[in-house]
Amino acid sequence: QVQLVESGGGLVKPGGSLRLSCAASGFTFSDYYMSWIRQAPGKGLEWVSYISGSSPYANYADSVKGRFTISRDNTKNSLHLQMDSLRVEDTGVYYCARDRGGGWLHEHWGQGTLVTVSS
Amino acid sequence: EIVLTQSPGTLSLSPGERATLSCRASQSVSSNYLAWYQQKPGQAPRLLIYGASSRATGIPDRFSGRGSETDFTLTISRLEPEDLAIYYCQQYTRTPPTFGQGTKVEIK
Repeated sequence: QVQLVESGGGLVKPGGSLRLSCAASGFTFSDYYMSWIRQAPGKGLEWVSYISGSSPYANYADSVKGRFTISRDNTKNSLHLQMDSLRVEDTGVYYCARDRGGGWLHEHWGQGTLVTVSS
Repeated sequence: EIVLTQSPGTLSLSPGERATLSCRASQSVSSNYLAWYQQKPGQAPRLLIYGASSRATGIPDRFSGRGSETDFTLTISRLEPEDLAIYYCQQYTRTPPTFGQGTKVEIK
């Protein structure tokens, strides 16, 4: 069965960096677009970024463009999100998701990892 | 970007009752690329409905979706206690993909 397990969250000061990872299993990883979606405490869902399956095409929300970088390693079935210049408003739970079709339809979700940006 | 507005904010119903949740888009959602997700307390979201009306794998048939263009509805035909959750609609027709603010379903 499809499993997605995020890691790498934690407490970081404003302006700092963090690298999230998502370990995937139970499917052919390179066949699927993957996304990161976040949820601020007590708030709704916000799509952050997605990456295509095998060719390195990526897209970002305006709120993170130029600060976050999504990447994947198809040999290790892993997805990453490098987060730089972090802001207080980046605080939340970050979910990785396997997308259906060409991206944006989030078919399977991990359990999430909490990122807290605070001084 | 396409703004999705969900109503009501909270729905409080008894087990066995019918729940009707609304999602209205600020622009037409072409190809009916509209999805519904369920998020139970303390859990990750789960895909319920895609393409406005197709149920995802393993979703009970008491959940149904309909609608087109700018008006969409999720119906839970007979509420069960485990349906306590926040339900989000999402459009995935145009970048950026956007979510509604959610409807909380409470069980009396």
